[in-house]
Amino acid sequence: GAGVSQSPRYKVTKRGQDVALRCDPISGHVSLYWYRQALGQGPEFLTYFNYEAQQDKSGLPNDRFSAERPEGSISTLTIQRTEQRDSAMYRCASSATAGVSYNEQFFGPGTRLTVL
Amino acid sequence: AQSVTQLGSHVSVSEGALVLLRCNYSSSVPPYLFWYVQYPNQGLQLLLKYTSAATLVKGINGFEAEFKKSETSFHLTKPSAHMSDAAEYFCAVSEKDYKLSFGAGTTVTVRA
Repeated sequence: GAGVSQSPRYKVTKRGQDVALRCDPISGHVSLYWYRQALGQGPEFLTYFNYEAQQDKSGLPNDRFSAERPEGSISTLTIQRTEQRDSAMYRCASSATAGVSYNEQFFGPGTRLTVL
Repeated sequence: AQSVTQLGSHVSVSEGALVLLRCNYSSSVPPYLFWYVQYPNQGLQLLLKYTSAATLVKGINGFEAEFKKSETSFHLTKPSAHMSDAAEYFCAVSEKDYKLSFGAGTTVTVRA
């Protein structure tokens, strides 16, 4: 079966524009996670969903960042009024069941965002 | 709070030599620990995980890691490096809140 997919793979935008990043998890996976990875660093947690419910958004840097998963499958991470410091790799992951800390998270290839 | 420290951002080994990547963690509760590998232009792939069942954990591609509570370590090893092991490796810890906290990563290069 298909793994986690993300689109676009690369996004270049100008400062002040809004961007929407899409994540399509593995079919049937309950939990979906968003991470951000700066150059030379490991991924940092942003937010996660169980089904359509956003369970934790403590990692979102500020109110310009939002995420949704309206039907419990595809998720969109939106960044409004982008700034140069938002440039990073944005990674999505999904896992099969909720509420289990040792569940494997399956990662997508990421979206490389560059804000000029 | 949980955190992970990976010693050495770059490691270079000869083909056939031992690969040793170091990971130390801090956690207020018994942790779950993971090693992920990232090949160029691909997503992170799970190598192995520690879930308290056994302290020596075997993973894919000949890698293994040993959990040492007294040293708060979870170092990754492979007895004999292969060219295909060239990649970036991340150690991660998870507590009760399911989210992963990653180290900064170690890039492995393999010399022929």
